[in-house]
Amino acid sequence: GAVVSQHPSRVICKSGTSVKIECRSLDFQATTMFWYRQFPKKSLMLMATSNEGSKATYEQGVEKDKFLINHASLTLSTLTVTSAHPEDSSFYICSARDWLAGGRSTDTQYFGPGTRLTVL
Amino acid sequence: GNSVTQMEGPVTLSEEAFLTINCTYTATGYPSLFWYVQYPGEGLQLLLKATKADDKGSNKGFEATYRKETTSFHLEKGSVQVSDSAVYFCALSVWESGNTGKLIFGQGTTLQVKP
Repeated sequence: GAVVSQHPSRVICKSGTSVKIECRSLDFQATTMFWYRQFPKKSLMLMATSNEGSKATYEQGVEKDKFLINHASLTLSTLTVTSAHPEDSSFYICSARDWLAGGRSTDTQYFGPGTRLTVL
Repeated sequence: GNSVTQMEGPVTLSEEAFLTINCTYTATGYPSLFWYVQYPGEGLQLLLKATKADDKGSNKGFEATYRKETTSFHLEKGSVQVSDSAVYFCALSVWESGNTGKLIFGQGTTLQVKP
């Protein structure tokens, strides 16, 4: 149980185009999903917290107009990188919190396999 | 503030050696503590967790004890295998007003196990 998928796993695009990444919780409902960015040999940087049915909460320094997040259902959140540029190339990872019982006892996050974005 | 500090890697061990990866934290509330593992080219997998002081998390031969007095959550394994080669992340989540329990990660420690 507690499987999170991401699609696509790898994408290469031209500078100026937009790319959408999907994050799905396959066997549980996730009212909250998180989007991270990971640079080579670096830790994960939280970009935003995505709550189902409401606007995402972005971390300081993350451009919300560039990284659009939509959490339209309890099992799907999407991250759209708009007008991508080479500096946006990175490994993007999502996570979902299994919130079946509610409360901090279920605060474990389950991570997707990641999406490698390369902008040419 | 809340932060996690891990020992710097890479850590290189021979198969069947004993492993310790140090992790210390600072937190303003009462954190839950986690160890995640990332194999090359993959996302993170939860390895173990502890939600309160003196709890011991364990999985696949790995274990870590939540030590409030030393604010530590060191990862240990008695006998490592080549297949344990990966990056290990220590993390915490703290529940505070307006905080949805987001994870704060350490910088990661690369483990290389040689046959």
